[in-house]
Amino acid sequence: EAQLVQSGAEVKKPGESLTISCAGSQHIFGNYWITWVRQLPGQGLEWMGRIDPSDSSTTYSPSFQGHVTLSADKSITTAYLQWTTLAASDTAKYFCAHENARGAFDIWGQGTMVTVSS
Amino acid sequence: QSVLTQPASVSGSPGQSITIPCTGTTNDVGAYNLVSWYQQLPGEAPKLLIYEVTERPSGVSHRFSGSKSGTTASLTISGLQAEDEADYFCCSYAAGSTFLLFGGGTTLTVL
Repeated sequence: EAQLVQSGAEVKKPGESLTISCAGSQHIFGNYWITWVRQLPGQGLEWMGRIDPSDSSTTYSPSFQGHVTLSADKSITTAYLQWTTLAASDTAKYFCAHENARGAFDIWGQGTMVTVSS
Repeated sequence: QSVLTQPASVSGSPGQSITIPCTGTTNDVGAYNLVSWYQQLPGEAPKLLIYEVTERPSGVSHRFSGSKSGTTASLTISGLQAEDEADYFCCSYAAGSTFLLFGGGTTLTVL
C-alpha cells in the first residue's frame, strides 16, 4: 500500500531552526509532486507549497514564501520542510501529501505536530 | 489568496442526505473542473473523497458524490451514517496560477 511516513512530533523554542521529513516509495516520488499543508490548532487546512522530487523545483503559496523552504532527496525518496527561525505562530500540524496532475492529494502522511513555545 | 467559502457546520439524521457547498469565484472554482473534497476524521489525516468535481477514488463509498454549478461546488452525502461525522474540506486551483486553495471546512454532525 502506497504511503507517506512523516517524522515525529517536535517541541522547539522561538528562534530555533527545524526540519521535518516525509518519506515515501519510489512510485509516489516518481510521479508529480509532494505538497505540504498546514493545520493550525482547531483550524482548517492551508496549502503551503509543492516540490517536484525529480528536479526539486518548487512552488510556494504567497502566504508561506520566504518563511519556509521545501527540499527533497530523490535518492532516498524523502521530502523536507524547513524553518530557519521558528515563531510561536508556527505551532501547527503539518501534513505532506502526494499531489497528482489534477490537483488532488491522493496519499497523505500522518502529520507532524510542531509546537513552538518558550 | 482567497479562501473558498463553506458553512462552518451542517447536521443531519442517520439515513438522510446532506449537501455541503463550496463557494468560490470565476478565478478558482468557476475556472476549472479541478475541485476536490477531503474528509478529516478527528485526529487523523485528511482523506481524498472526490477529485475533478465528480470523480470518486476507488474504495470511496458511492454515498459520496460531487457536483458543480458556476462558482459553487457541492459535496453530497447520502444515507448518512454515524461514521460520517467529520470535517470536510473543498480545494480548487486558483486560475492563472498553480496555487491551490482550501475551503474553511465544514463540520458534519450526525444527530
